[in-house]
Amino acid sequence: GQQVMQIPQYQHVQEGEDFTTYCNSSTTLSNIQWYKQRPGGHPVFLIQLVKSGEVKKQKRLTFQFGEAKKNSSLHITATQTTDVGTYFCAASNNAGNMLTFGGGTRLMVKP
Amino acid sequence: DGGITQSPKYLFRKEGQNVTLSCEQNLNHDAMYWYRQDPGQGLRLIYYSQIVNDFQKGDIAEGYSVSREKKESFPLTVTSAQKNPTAFYLCASSKTSGRWETQYFGPGTRLLVL
Repeated sequence: GQQVMQIPQYQHVQEGEDFTTYCNSSTTLSNIQWYKQRPGGHPVFLIQLVKSGEVKKQKRLTFQFGEAKKNSSLHITATQTTDVGTYFCAASNNAGNMLTFGGGTRLMVKP
Repeated sequence: DGGITQSPKYLFRKEGQNVTLSCEQNLNHDAMYWYRQDPGQGLRLIYYSQIVNDFQKGDIAEGYSVSREKKESFPLTVTSAQKNPTAFYLCASSKTSGRWETQYFGPGTRLLVL
C-alpha cells in the first residue's frame, strides 16, 4: 500500500524552541491528515490538507502541503510542554481509498 | 455524549488463548477500523469495515478476526495464531469509509501476553 515516511522519529527540544516534523511520499498524494497522540492517549485529528501548496495555521501550529503533493510538514512555533506527544501524518494517493499512517514523530519538551 | 468506547483498558492473555476486544460507537458512523500500535511505532491497519455485515483485511490481518453484525459494534478477536499479540489496539470510526474522512479513535486496549 501507500508508504509515507515521517522524520524525525524522535525530537527533544527546550521549551520555547521551534519544532518541525516532515512527512514524505514517493508518489503523489491526494490528501494528508495530521493527528496528535498524547502520551498514554489516542490519536486526535488536527487538520486535513488537500490542495497543492496549501498552508493552514492553528495558533502556533503551521501545516503545509508541498507543491508536488508528495510531502507535508507540521511546524510548531515556541513549543510548550502541552505540545508533548506523537504527531502522525496519514495520507492516501489517488489510487487508494484508505489512509496510511506514517510512523510518527515523538516530541519531548524540556521545561 | 457521542464517542467510541473500548473495553477493557488492559487485557492479559495466556499463550494459546483467544481474546476479544470490544469497540462500540454511538456516532452513527458507517466505517470502523482496527489498528495495532507497537511501542514507538506508527499505526498499522488490521481490519476495516465500510458497512454492516462487511469487512476487509488490512495490512496485518493474520491472526486476527472481526465481525460487524451491528453498526455500533466492531469486535476484534486476537487468536492464538497471532505470534506476537502484545501491543496497544486502537479502534476508530468515520462517517463513511475513504481517505477524505476524519477518523475518531477510541481510548485503546493494551494487550499483554503472559
